[in-house]
Amino acid sequence: AQSVTQLGSHVSVSEGALVLLRCNYSSSVPPYLFWYVQYPNQGLQLLLKYTTGATLVKGINGFEAEFKKSETSFHLTKPSAHMSDAAEYFCAVSVSTGGFKTIFGAGTRLFVKA
Amino acid sequence: DTGVSQNPRHKITKRGQNVTFRCDPISEHNRLYWYRQTLGQGPEFLTYFQNEAQLEKSRLLSDRFSAERPKGSFSTLEIQRTEQGDSAMYLCASSLAGTVGTGELFFGEGSRLTVL
Repeated sequence: AQSVTQLGSHVSVSEGALVLLRCNYSSSVPPYLFWYVQYPNQGLQLLLKYTTGATLVKGINGFEAEFKKSETSFHLTKPSAHMSDAAEYFCAVSVSTGGFKTIFGAGTRLFVKA
Repeated sequence: DTGVSQNPRHKITKRGQNVTFRCDPISEHNRLYWYRQTLGQGPEFLTYFQNEAQLEKSRLLSDRFSAERPKGSFSTLEIQRTEQGDSAMYLCASSLAGTVGTGELFFGEGSRLTVL
């Protein structure tokens, strides 16, 4: 069975600083990996995804993530934080067997200080 | 199409009452998922449908919970004899099977249940 661990339930950065949100996964078969973002009072929306191919994937709003199989990681980064990035971020994994049931991590809340 | 729609957005009920939530997915999507999210946690998988067939149910889904997707379009999630522990946000998501990146979910804004 798949699982996801997000390190740090809260991360605080200054505006303009690097954002790094950590995610490790467990899967017995090649995974599909996702980052979703949830703004206050809104539904989750896809930020970026890794399926196959290039291990560095770019998403919306300047975010990117790198799939590292040897480390079973899929960390999310953004070079320069903006106030509008303040939100909750969820890492998720799904596999092609089992109907692409998606399993989510507990989430990391990102705070951006002026 | 404006996305996944969930109703009602908020529901307050007394313990022991039954509640029903409705989800209207993106029209061409054949997969529909229900998740539950509590404060400080990520979405927890409850069940999913491919067309009208319910293909998997989580152990989290007790006998008091039932979900349907008649005709493979909208879905309902009913909770019977609600308990205070059922208080949560119930999320619906849909996806299109068979495309590259299958597994990408499109979420509604959720239905928040408060059981008094």
